[in-house]
Amino acid sequence: QVQLQESGPGLVKPSGTLSLTCVVSGDSITSDNWWSWVRQPPGKRLEWIGETYHSGITNYNPSFKSRVTMSLDESKNEFSLRLSSVTAADTAVYYCGRGSDYVYDYRGQGTLVTVSS
Amino acid sequence: QSALTQPASVSGSPGQSITISCTGASSDIGGYNYVSWYQQHPGKAPKLVIYGVSNRPSGVSNRFSGSKSGSTASLTISGLQAEDEADYYCCSYTSTTIYVFGTGTEVTVL
Repeated sequence: QVQLQESGPGLVKPSGTLSLTCVVSGDSITSDNWWSWVRQPPGKRLEWIGETYHSGITNYNPSFKSRVTMSLDESKNEFSLRLSSVTAADTAVYYCGRGSDYVYDYRGQGTLVTVSS
Repeated sequence: QSALTQPASVSGSPGQSITISCTGASSDIGGYNYVSWYQQHPGKAPKLVIYGVSNRPSGVSNRFSGSKSGSTASLTISGLQAEDEADYYCCSYTSTTIYVFGTGTEVTVL
């Protein structure tokens, strides 16, 4: 049973950088799967942020492209999200997911990140 | 990439069938059979209920079915049950190699 667990600071200051990690268990980060992040501002819809593959390929939502970086750490079997220059609009619950064949399963419980001074 | 369009809310009585539409464009739904549907209960992560337009993951009730016509995908829930009350989101792969979610539909069981 694959499990994903998000972690990271729950509070980030405006103009700072949001950094989250998703620890994967039950599967290898180097398997033939993509790894993704989505987010959901309070009371709003889901928003796809991007995805990364163990070969280093990344695809980002153009809405975030200049601010987002995704990476994998094979030694820790985890992948990460970094979002720079954050504002209050980046306050959201962030979920990580695993995908293949154009299907994503978001198994993480989600982590709330609040951007505030 | 604009969000896919879904009705804000749909309701039905227990036992009835309801259908949720998801309208996109030729660059997403109309161009690919990579439409997924997610069910989300309050405070919970989204749960995959349909993928590849009409396929159900293992463990998902066969009361959930999906279809597509042109640039509009649909999710039908038959034999509506109280536990189906949740928010539902469609999601499609797009021509710019990213994914886009729908605006979300709140399903109410009367």
